[in-house]
Amino acid sequence: SQQGEEDPQALSIQEGENATMNCSYKTSINNLQWYRQNSGRGLVHLILIRSNEREKHSGRLRVTLDTSKKSSSLLITASRAADTASYFCATDASRGSTLGRLYFGRGTQLTVWP
Amino acid sequence: KAGVTQTPRYLIKTRGQQVTLSCSPISGHRSVSWYQQTPGQGLQFLFEYFSETQRNKGNFPGRFSGRQFSNSRSEMNVSTLELGDSALYLCASSTGDRNTGELFFGEGSRLTVL
Repeated sequence: SQQGEEDPQALSIQEGENATMNCSYKTSINNLQWYRQNSGRGLVHLILIRSNEREKHSGRLRVTLDTSKKSSSLLITASRAADTASYFCATDASRGSTLGRLYFGRGTQLTVWP
Repeated sequence: KAGVTQTPRYLIKTRGQQVTLSCSPISGHRSVSWYQQTPGQGLQFLFEYFSETQRNKGNFPGRFSGRQFSNSRSEMNVSTLELGDSALYLCASSTGDRNTGELFFGEGSRLTVL
């Protein structure tokens, strides 16, 4: 399976702290994406990093990608209560039929306490 | 620009019945993908359609089927429902480029099978 795995499964922090989530995957990829999901809702795309990129920033988000270790991390700086959600990494596959298909991890449940 | 619209949002069925879920993609998007989300299995890819053709299919039994219309709207059907089909069914649209980029998700259809 190419499914990514996030670590930790759950993370609880105070507002203002930074939150770091990690993702590992198994096979070669074209890109890796991070999505956010509020309870029972649809997924919202946060950021995409291509396999030839090592780091990417978007607002309070910082994503790193290490293709040699097949891992990525998502850092949310200065967390807010509104950041409380599940965060998923998703990969495509660099070989075979990948059209429209992303492989999702099980997600990290982030809780930010006021 | 309107987002991805899924209907119905909630539905309850009994075992043996069938269900049809609908998805209207973002205007101009030609690719529609479907995912099943359950607590036990996480997010699982069902299938992807582009210009009315199924381009990719996940590992689900033949009871799960779909189609796409000329206006890119898509439907998925599950026949002979089983208790294990209870899940959040998510539809996502994209431009349909060769390498899967950002997916835009709807809010999902939550199916409960009794």
